[in-house]
Amino acid sequence: AQSVTQLGSHVSVSEGALVLLRCNYSSSVPPYLFWYVQYPNQGLQLLLKYTTGATLVKGINGFEAEFKKSETSFHLTKPSAHMSDAAEYFCAVSEQWNTGNQFYFGTGTSLTVIP
Amino acid sequence: GAVVSQHPSRVICKSGTSVKIECRSLDFQATTMFWYRQFPKQSLMLMATSNEGSKATYEQGVEKDKFLINHASLTLSTLTVTSAHPEDSSFYICSAKRDLSVYEQYFGPGTRLTVT
Repeated sequence: AQSVTQLGSHVSVSEGALVLLRCNYSSSVPPYLFWYVQYPNQGLQLLLKYTTGATLVKGINGFEAEFKKSETSFHLTKPSAHMSDAAEYFCAVSEQWNTGNQFYFGTGTSLTVIP
Repeated sequence: GAVVSQHPSRVICKSGTSVKIECRSLDFQATTMFWYRQFPKQSLMLMATSNEGSKATYEQGVEKDKFLINHASLTLSTLTVTSAHPEDSSFYICSAKRDLSVYEQYFGPGTRLTVT
C-alpha cells in the first residue's frame, strides 16, 4: 500500500511570506497526486492535481505544486501567504493502476498565518 | 459540476440509537462512493468503498454490522451508524467517483456526528 508523508504537522508563516508544505509518497510507480484544503468543520476542497504532463501544476488561490519523480515529492507552494490561507492541508495519492481508485491521505499540515 | 452533498451536516443522537447519513452526487452519476472518518486534528481514514448495486467493501478494522452502507442508486449512498456510542462521535466524509473519471474523487462537506 501507498504511504504519504507530510513533513511538519504545523507550519507557521508570516502574512506575505512564502508557503511551503511538503509531501512525499512511497510508490515506485508515479501515482496521481492531489492537494486538498480543509477549513474547520468543512469537507475537502481540491487545490490542484497532477496526473500526467507538465510537472509544475497550478491550482486555485495562487497555489502550485511540482511533481518530482526522482524525489518522490509533490510539495505545495504559494509565493505570498494570505490570512485566508490558514487551514488544514492534505496531500493525497491515488494509484494509476488501481481501478478502485483508493485515495491515500497524508496526516495533514495545519497552516497558521501570522499577521 | 461534480457536486456532492451530505445530509445532515450535523447530528446529535443518544447512545444506543441509530443514525443515517446520506451522500448524494447532485449533477453526475457515481458508480463508486467512499466513506471516510476523520477524528479531530487527524487525517481521513477510509472506512469503506461502496459500489452501486453491490455490497460495500470495508477496510480492515471497520465493523460492517455497525456501519451499514447502502448504495442503492447511482446518486445516493447512505451510511447508517447502528447502536451508536460516544466513541463513534466523529466527522464523516463521503466522496464520489465519476464514471468518466479514472482517478478523481469529489468530496462532500462532511457530517459531524455527536453521540451523547
